[in-house]
Amino acid sequence: AQSVTQLDSHVSVSEGTPVLLRCNYSSSYSPSLFWYVQHPNKGLQLLLKYTSAATLVKGINGFEAEFKKSETSFHLTKPSAHMSDAAEYFCVVSDMETGGFKTIFGAGTRLFVKA
Amino acid sequence: KAGVTQTPRYLIKTRGQQVTLSCSPISGHRSVSWYQQTPGQGLQFLFEYFSETQRNKGNFPGRFSGRQFSNSRSEMNVSTLELGDSALYLCASSLAQGSGAFFGQGTRLTVV
Repeated sequence: AQSVTQLDSHVSVSEGTPVLLRCNYSSSYSPSLFWYVQHPNKGLQLLLKYTSAATLVKGINGFEAEFKKSETSFHLTKPSAHMSDAAEYFCVVSDMETGGFKTIFGAGTRLFVKA
Repeated sequence: KAGVTQTPRYLIKTRGQQVTLSCSPISGHRSVSWYQQTPGQGLQFLFEYFSETQRNKGNFPGRFSGRQFSNSRSEMNVSTLELGDSALYLCASSLAQGSGAFFGQGTRLTVV
């Protein structure tokens, strides 16, 4: 069965410093992995996706993530945080399972950015 | 290209009533999924429709149902509302399974 674990419920960084949001997954087959961002009272926006091509994936707003199969990780990074990055981030895994295609969301990591 | 549109944005209903939420996907997207988001349970998958057929279903009671029309627009219905149904309901559309989904702004349902 597939699952996704976001290792930190909250992360706080200062503006201009690097961001690291951690995600570990488990999947039986070849998963597709995604990061979404949700600003308060908004829907979710797709930041980036991994679908078995390059292991380093670049997304919008300067974010990127690296797929590491040996570590079953898909951590999200950004070199320099901006105030507008403060939001909740969700790691998502999609894969075929018995019974059909399943999509699982992580519990979310809330990112705080200090001035 | 217009994004995913959900209507209404906000709803207040009384326990025992029923409610219908609407979702218009991105043009050309035939897959529509619904999610419930609450502070306690996070994001939970409700169901997915593709070409008017329910393709996947989450672990929700039968009070939660949905359908998809020939133009890919989708509706979800919740009957006999309970206080615990208060949540943000999100709709997402995608071109194909595993391709990444585009979400609407959500419908905030409050049951009193």
